[in-house]
Amino acid sequence: DGGITQSPKYLFRKEGQNVTLSCEQNLNHDAMYWYRQDPGQGLRLIYYSQIVNDFQKGDIAEGYSVSREKKESFPLTVTSAQKNPTAFYLCASRNRDFPTDTQYFGPGTRLTVL
Amino acid sequence: GIQVEQSPPDLILQEGANSTLRCNFSDSVNNLQWFHQNPWGQLINLFYIPSGTKQNGRLSATTVATERYSLLYISSSQTTDSGVYFCAGGGMFSGGYNKLIFGAGTRLAVHP
Repeated sequence: DGGITQSPKYLFRKEGQNVTLSCEQNLNHDAMYWYRQDPGQGLRLIYYSQIVNDFQKGDIAEGYSVSREKKESFPLTVTSAQKNPTAFYLCASRNRDFPTDTQYFGPGTRLTVL
Repeated sequence: GIQVEQSPPDLILQEGANSTLRCNFSDSVNNLQWFHQNPWGQLINLFYIPSGTKQNGRLSATTVATERYSLLYISSSQTTDSGVYFCAGGGMFSGGYNKLIFGAGTRLAVHP
């Protein structure tokens, strides 16, 4: 089955620790995204990658880092510099095959800081 | 930057009722998508609809790009329609890359 997988589903972090969230896709999409969702709110863009070895900061990149060494993988690291990391994190990839231009989402990772 | 406003913020329906959700955007977009987020957090793409009208079963959507709004229609609602509906507008914004801006969502609860 083609799709996007994220792991872990739940993650608990102590203050001062870095943690890495995994995102893998087998849809052969070039572009991938990381979003953050806080309770009762919409999604905000953290980082974006159009192709391998390229990525750009989104609207709320401070305290986060990413890499894009493979087309299939786009891991997100939440660093200790992120002051309020407790949130729901969603990864997406983009299908631009005409006539559509849609984003497909993984199941998400819920991060809680203890 | 572009603002995306959704209304109503909350909606409670009896099973079988119809509803209309609205999305207004403050500037022109070349990409408009509707998503449904289920109670477990999974987002499913419902429509890619930068303009015109599309239908998929009991759901249909209309975007009037010249007036900067989109509507999502749900007919004969079912309990499985419950969740949060997001619209997102996209385009080549400042920074030189294409991205989606999400509204705050409409929270729908369908009761049997």
